[in-house]
Amino acid sequence: GAGVSQSPRYKVAKRGQDVALRCDPISGHVSLFWYQQALGQGPEFLTYFQNEAQLDKSGLPSDRFFAERPEGSVSTLKIQRTQQEDSAVYLCASSPQTGVGGEQYFGPGTRLTVT
Amino acid sequence: AQSVAQPEDQVNVAEGNPLTVKCTYSVSGNPYLFWYVQYPNRGLQFLLKYITGDNLVKGSYGFEAEFNKSQTSFHLKKPSALVSDSALYFCAVRDPDTGGFKTIFGAGTRLFVKA
Repeated sequence: GAGVSQSPRYKVAKRGQDVALRCDPISGHVSLFWYQQALGQGPEFLTYFQNEAQLDKSGLPSDRFFAERPEGSVSTLKIQRTQQEDSAVYLCASSPQTGVGGEQYFGPGTRLTVT
Repeated sequence: AQSVAQPEDQVNVAEGNPLTVKCTYSVSGNPYLFWYVQYPNRGLQFLLKYITGDNLVKGSYGFEAEFNKSQTSFHLKKPSALVSDSALYFCAVRDPDTGGFKTIFGAGTRLFVKA
């Protein structure tokens, strides 16, 4: 079946612009995660949704970052007033499990470049 | 605080030889441990996990990992490497007692298998 998809795959934004990154999880997966991956580093946790509820947003680096999953399926990560340090690959992952022991299925990521 | 260390940026091994990719972790409670692999131009893929039970866990593509609580390690192993195993490998940890849904990833180890 279809995996996790993300769009756009590449995004170039001028500093100060707002961006919206979309994630389509695997159908039926209740858990959804967002990560930020800087060049040469592992993914860093941003936030977690269980269905439509955002249960953990401890990794969001500032109040410029906002995520939503209003109907418990598609999720959007929004970054307001982008800064150069926001340049990274943003990964979305979904999981069929609700507990912390579940494995995650990752999308291909959105590469954001802020100029 | 949770942390993961992958002490080797790169591991080189000849095809047919055994391979080991090292991972050590630090959590306050009992860890949930994961290995993921990233092939070029593809998203991260789940390989295996340790939650509880037998310290030796087997995963996809012939990989296995051994949980060693006294050494706080979870090294990834394969008895006979293939050229197609060449990829970027990430170790990850969750602390179910205090860490919520946050998954901490290591910086990754690049594996090169030479024919």
